[in-house]
Amino acid sequence: QQQVKQSPQSLIVQKGGISIINCAYENTAFDYFPWYQQFPGKGPALLIAIRPDVSEKKEGRFTISFNKSAKQFSLHIMDSQPGDSATYFCAASKYLPGGSYIPTFGRGTSLIVHP
Amino acid sequence: NAGVTQTPKFRVLKTGQSMTLLCAQDMNHEYMYWYRQDPGMGLRLIHYSVGEGTTAKGEVPDGYNVSRLKKQNFLLGLESAAPSQTSVYFCASSYEIWTANTGELFFGEGSRLTVL
Repeated sequence: QQQVKQSPQSLIVQKGGISIINCAYENTAFDYFPWYQQFPGKGPALLIAIRPDVSEKKEGRFTISFNKSAKQFSLHIMDSQPGDSATYFCAASKYLPGGSYIPTFGRGTSLIVHP
Repeated sequence: NAGVTQTPKFRVLKTGQSMTLLCAQDMNHEYMYWYRQDPGMGLRLIHYSVGEGTTAKGEVPDGYNVSRLKKQNFLLGLESAAPSQTSVYFCASSYEIWTANTGELFFGEGSRLTVL
């Protein structure tokens, strides 16, 4: 049972275009939604994150849009650059007693930005 | 400040052999995690620890054991390796929620394990 569904599995965009990756979740207890970026041979690194009390968060060219009623959130990369070529993971976390936040990851999207 | 360091980076095992992956973090994080990454499957949680001396099962714990004897180290063991355990293993660590109001995980660079 996949708690966080991510699409598309792969995405090819021209330089300067907009990259859009979508995720959907089932568990309404999730209350923290991060996106991680992973370059080949490296570990994932936090890119941007949002909490469900806001509908949008923007950091530079990266924007998260969040739709709580639809249980969906998406990552938009504006003016996509070849250096953005990487694998992107969405995740959803819920608070557990004891102070931990355990994320559940989507299956990832491989983004290629052509020059 | 090295962050999260995993050793070894690469290992080839034969079916039935045992091995231990070591994760060390120098950020004084309370929480540590072991994930495996397989093509098309994303990151799946194997085991995690919320503090020294404590461990808990994640999504795919079968065939693995862990120990957290020291706060900075989290060991992942395979007692009898199987080809299905061929994967890239990632260790991660994070602050407890009261220290930093963020759920950010800090990952190591991964350990690629092949079981023949």
